[in-house]
Amino acid sequence: AQSVAQPEDQVNVAEGNPLTVKCTYSVSGNPYLFWYVQYPNRGLQFLLKYITGDNLVKGSYGFEAEFNKSQTSFHLKKPSALVSDSALYFCSNTDKLIFGTGTRLQVFP
Amino acid sequence: DAGITQSPRHKVTETGTPVTLRCHQTENHRYMYWYRQDPGHGLRLIHYSYGVKDTDKGEVSDGYSVSRSKTEDFLLTLESATSSQTSVYFCAISEYSHGKTTDTQYFGPGTRLTVL
Repeated sequence: AQSVAQPEDQVNVAEGNPLTVKCTYSVSGNPYLFWYVQYPNRGLQFLLKYITGDNLVKGSYGFEAEFNKSQTSFHLKKPSALVSDSALYFCSNTDKLIFGTGTRLQVFP
Repeated sequence: DAGITQSPRHKVTETGTPVTLRCHQTENHRYMYWYRQDPGHGLRLIHYSYGVKDTDKGEVSDGYSVSRSKTEDFLLTLESATSSQTSVYFCAISEYSHGKTTDTQYFGPGTRLTVL
């Protein structure tokens, strides 16, 4: 079955430290992979996407993600976390319209 | 934010009653989607539309129907609501097909539905 997995329900990190939110995929065809962020009582907002080409993708708000075909992963990263990054993050494969279960990121002052 | 509105934003209803949720867009995008969001499940696709009067089922379509008579409006109907349909419902739009290109989806603010 095609799937996108986010193995961590929650990630806690101190402000100023680097953060990683993990995503692995199992899809046939094109692994068009996206990251979205959801703030409380809001819809999802686009962060970044991998289509083809460079494995390191840069997106909004200083986030980046690395596509790793051998490990079938697309982890979201940021060098220095902010308290305002606290939100729910979703990994998605748009070719199959499937989403991961979400990871709640908590950044502590 | 993309021009997407959903109505109502909150609704409480009783089991067995019909419910219709509306998604309205001002972007003139061809593709529209309905998802439900539940803890532990993320977002799951209910139905989507690839044009006026053209719709298809998603992963969790049982108990739901949709209609699209105009480009800008996509309606989701629960013919006879059940408690298992208590959820947050999101509408999304995209300019191009998810299958043919890599177009970004833009999401509405959501509708919180409670079925008692």
